[in-house]
Amino acid sequence: EDQVTQSPEALRLQEGESSSLNCSYTVSGLRGLFWYRQDPGKGPEFLFTLYSAGEEKEKERLKATLTKKESFLHITAPKPEDSATYLCAVQAYSGAGSYQLTFGKGTKLSVIP
Amino acid sequence: DSGVTQTPKHLITATGQRVTLRCSPRSGDLSVYWYQQSLDQGLQFLIQYYNGEERAKGNILERFSAQQFPDLHSELNLSSLELGDSALYFCASSTGGGSTDTQYFGPGTRLTVL
Repeated sequence: EDQVTQSPEALRLQEGESSSLNCSYTVSGLRGLFWYRQDPGKGPEFLFTLYSAGEEKEKERLKATLTKKESFLHITAPKPEDSATYLCAVQAYSGAGSYQLTFGKGTKLSVIP
Repeated sequence: DSGVTQTPKHLITATGQRVTLRCSPRSGDLSVYWYQQSLDQGLQFLIQYYNGEERAKGNILERFSAQQFPDLHSELNLSSLELGDSALYFCASSTGGGSTDTQYFGPGTRLTVL
């Protein structure tokens, strides 16, 4: 069974204090690892897709990296508007030509001014 | 704005009732996915449709059903509702449904069962 574990569950940072979020996974036949951002009561917003170990992607203050067993979302000099829950998901083959996303429970990030 | 629309935004109903949630995918997307998000379970995949046909099933209860219509919009039907069905229900869409497709999520429907 595919499993995705995110840590920490919650993280409080001062504005400008850089940190990393972790996503560890167990999956047969990883086809992609996705990062989403979710604001309270809203739908997840797509951030990045990583496909192979060693791959990195950046967007503003966010940088995602991937190894064979985990992914990190690095946040550099965060601002209060970066406060959200960050979700990690793995995409794997689920049979009959279909692929499913399995989500972690997320890391709730709070950035204090 | 992802381009995926969902109606209604909020739904309050009683136990034992039946409701229908609606989703319109992004223009050009053929796949629609339904997810349930509760506080303790996180985002759980329910079901996927691709171009009108059921493609994959996740943790969907027998009381729940879905369909995708010729215009590609989708409906999720929830019946014999229980208190535990209260949750956020999200629809997502993707171009095809292949291994590298990105799913884009709608704003969700908040269901409250009293």
